Amino acid sequence: ETGVTQSPTHLIKTRGQQVTLRCSSQSGHNTVSWYQQALGQGPQFIFQYYREEENGRGNFPPRFSGLQFPNYSSELNVNALELDDSALYLCASSPGGTGIAEAFFGQGTRLTVV
Amino acid sequence: GQQLNQSPQSMFIQEGEDVSMNCTSSSIFNTWLWYKQDPGEGPVLLIALYKAGELTSNGRLTAQFGITRKDSFLNISASIPSDVGIYFCAGRRGAGNEKLTFGTGTRLTIIP
Repeated sequence: ETGVTQSPTHLIKTRGQQVTLRCSSQSGHNTVSWYQQALGQGPQFIFQYYREEENGRGNFPPRFSGLQFPNYSSELNVNALELDDSALYLCASSPGGTGIAEAFFGQGTRLTVV
Repeated sequence: GQQLNQSPQSMFIQEGEDVSMNCTSSSIFNTWLWYKQDPGEGPVLLIALYKAGELTSNGRLTAQFGITRKDSFLNISASIPSDVGIYFCAGRRGAGNEKLTFGTGTRLTIIP
């Protein structure tokens, strides 16, 4: 148990729709990162939030956006869903600003776009 | 996006055997992490490495941070059925708050 929880665990959306995924970070962790993992591949970095500010972004289009709340939980929003957005979406929490590099992952949200 | 190269891509071993896998990069990382992922689950952190040359153990698992800072190695001794899964290395350029770059994964299967 990492203490990182994601919701929902699975969902199915239609192409063109919008989706919001949620993540609660581990207690005491102020940094949340989001990753996309396609089948058979390693996770790819989407973006990271540190103390409610985005402080790093991977090679993903602007229709991928996010938020971090004062309690350090976070949301990932994806607009105009495409079939290629089907993947396991992972969030990871870490104690940013401490020099500790370890990141702890939630169980993921499996998104299927049809 | 960039992914680190892991080898082997897959391994088929018998219970009780030792396992070795590695991860290489064309650029330097200052932190290396090793994760294990079961189907449909999130990655679980196994070992974190912070210094070049560092050797760290976690039970039957031992990982090393390569001297060049461009590679890392994971060994599993006396494998057991619950070791089955996909092992990922991940590198972080900074010591703390930067993104993780993941490897391509090594799938471990234990033959009965």
